[in-house]
Amino acid sequence: QSALTQPASMSGSPGQSITISCTGTRNDIGSYNLVSWYQQHPGKAPKLIIQEVTKRPSGVPIRFSGSKSGNTASLTISGLQAEDEAEYHCCSYAGGNTYVFGSGTQVTVL
Amino acid sequence: QVQLVESGGGVVQPGRSLKLSCAASGFTFNSYAMHWVRQAPGKGLEWVALIPYDGSHGYYADSVKGRFTISRDNFRSTLSLQMDGLTPEDTAVYYCAKDPKMGGYDSYLEYWGLGTLVTVSS
Repeated sequence: QSALTQPASMSGSPGQSITISCTGTRNDIGSYNLVSWYQQHPGKAPKLIIQEVTKRPSGVPIRFSGSKSGNTASLTISGLQAEDEAEYHCCSYAGGNTYVFGSGTQVTVL
Repeated sequence: QVQLVESGGGVVQPGRSLKLSCAASGFTFNSYAMHWVRQAPGKGLEWVALIPYDGSHGYYADSVKGRFTISRDNFRSTLSLQMDGLTPEDTAVYYCAKDPKMGGYDSYLEYWGLGTLVTVSS
């Protein structure tokens, strides 16, 4: 159950697009289309923004999108906005009713 | 609306025990699996444990297996985490979270509480 690998930080200007990677193994991301992403503002609870690799829950802006290739999942924020500055966490089902999270990525809007 | 409120955190010495609670409201608690997730200072999230809607079994991360026990009281709509043999590496904010699937499990965590801080230090 090793943590999924994410870049520690990323930044972009308003209106730009950024893509956050989340690398796992064939035992987690590579085996299941069950990756989720969470947004966390300081002092707040994590909020689900992507489920099952690509699905956006109701109310999540369309600028958030997810994808997966092999053992790596990605979250793209298209048209970065100031309120998108937050920490982003990926998560994958890892079999046997267990889950593994990523190391987290701090996104800064310049 | 769904509300999850964690409590029971604090400062505890290494080797001691602590029990966390999560009070749930706004949904039919006895129909949904529940999770505990933690976040050490400056680190990412770490999944800790899962309990099905009926409390029949617990599933654990390797890092806590044998030391932590997840349980629930469906009459009181309360989730618990008994933590024994605590080490400094268990220092973290502990969150409870709701599974979205009624009567089963899904692959993501739908709602989260604000967390409670546990500090393990002598």
